[in-house]
Amino acid sequence: GAVVSQHPSWVICKSGTSVKIECRSLDFQATTMFWYRQFPKQSLMLMATSNEGSKATYEQGVEKDKFLINHASLTLSTLTVTSAHPEDSSFYICSARPPPVATGGRIMNTEAFFGQGTRLTVV
Amino acid sequence: GENVEQHPSTLSVQEGDSAVIKCTYSDSASNYFPWYKQELGKRPQLIIDIRSNVGEKKDQRIAVTLNKTAKHFSLHITETQPEDSAVYFCAASRRNNDMRFGAGTRLTVKP
Repeated sequence: GAVVSQHPSWVICKSGTSVKIECRSLDFQATTMFWYRQFPKQSLMLMATSNEGSKATYEQGVEKDKFLINHASLTLSTLTVTSAHPEDSSFYICSARPPPVATGGRIMNTEAFFGQGTRLTVV
Repeated sequence: GENVEQHPSTLSVQEGDSAVIKCTYSDSASNYFPWYKQELGKRPQLIIDIRSNVGEKKDQRIAVTLNKTAKHFSLHITETQPEDSAVYFCAASRRNNDMRFGAGTRLTVKP
């Protein structure tokens, strides 16, 4: 299957600093990538949809000035947590879907592939 | 927008028994319904998916059923094994740039 790589896998930073997380689709072009936040034993909370060449679409309640998303190319999206605080500590994970495929006259949506995730700890 | 609800949130079964997880969705235009398994500390991985043009799909011990009229779909795992223990997520998608996940089900298979 397709591969999505996320880096770093873990990071510890001081309160008030910024942290950048990268999400790369290694063998396909992704016009859209998704960023999620996952608390222990909880669900994948969609934070934002990253759109190549345009602004990200943020979910309600997610501060766009705090969680900066850049999708400058078809294979790379970045999430920057600005002025991080301990409450931002969490597991952040991205996903991407290869382009839809045409089969038998129908457009078929594709599965989502996830990155490895990044465990952010703010001290 | 799409809203996906998943039940139960936790499920404990004895090894060899069956496990069923149910999801409902709100957008009647959704046409793609994947199921993901996430083991502790790992990324979610697709285990099976179903599209709106079929009602059932099976892959060895795993099966998924879809009822478009009622807007619900279910995951069935038969002959469960301890290695099936994980968190399972359902999702619904209408377009390739949108996918909504359920809250997840923590499945524990007791040996």
